[in-house]
Amino acid sequence: EAGVTQSPTHLIKTRGQQVTLRCSPISGHTSVYWYQQALGLGLQFLLWYDEGEERNRGNFPPRFSGRQFPNYSSELNVNALELEDSALYLCASSLKDTQYFGPGTRLTVL
Amino acid sequence: DQQVKQNSPSLSVQEGRISILNCDYTNSMFDYFLWYKKYPAEGPTFLISISSIKDKNEDGRFTVFLNKSAKHLSLHIVPSQPGDSAVYFCAASLFYNNNDMRFGAGTRLTVKP
Repeated sequence: EAGVTQSPTHLIKTRGQQVTLRCSPISGHTSVYWYQQALGLGLQFLLWYDEGEERNRGNFPPRFSGRQFPNYSSELNVNALELEDSALYLCASSLKDTQYFGPGTRLTVL
Repeated sequence: DQQVKQNSPSLSVQEGRISILNCDYTNSMFDYFLWYKKYPAEGPTFLISISSIKDKNEDGRFTVFLNKSAKHLSLHIVPSQPGDSAVYFCAASLFYNNNDMRFGAGTRLTVKP
């Protein structure tokens, strides 16, 4: 069974640019979660999508947004990038209780 | 607002000995707790969980203890093995289906041969 996949693996952007990160959940999983792991911090909850709807979002500004497609894959968009957005962005999927994580996308903002 | 705290950023243990990783939380409404293990360049993988109706859950070498009155949980690994070297994240949620988990900052465990 294929796990959660994320693309790209690494990304370098400059301040003010926009970025789109992609996530494909485990087959059959309807929920997708996005997390940010900045240096020295734990995983910060960003967004939760289920059945194509945004169910919950963490304490992040509106320039962090996303969507979930009919095939349950998901995109995370970050507009007007700031230096502090440099982090590892992790996607997880779940069917019931356990979340399964992808390898993450390392975003560097210069 | 760090609702889940892992105050030890790192821990070093000799192979064969016990590793004890600690986690504290502030929200008394949390009722489901999990531990994840993360190797470099990989996403976290689920290790073990415990609900608030229990105070202990065991799975092989891994045991999680929950002290609700102290808002504290710990992960015990016995015996520790070099392959256990990883970053361990503690997580807590309000609902059993953990749709809004809060994670600690992680503890890097190094098990020396």
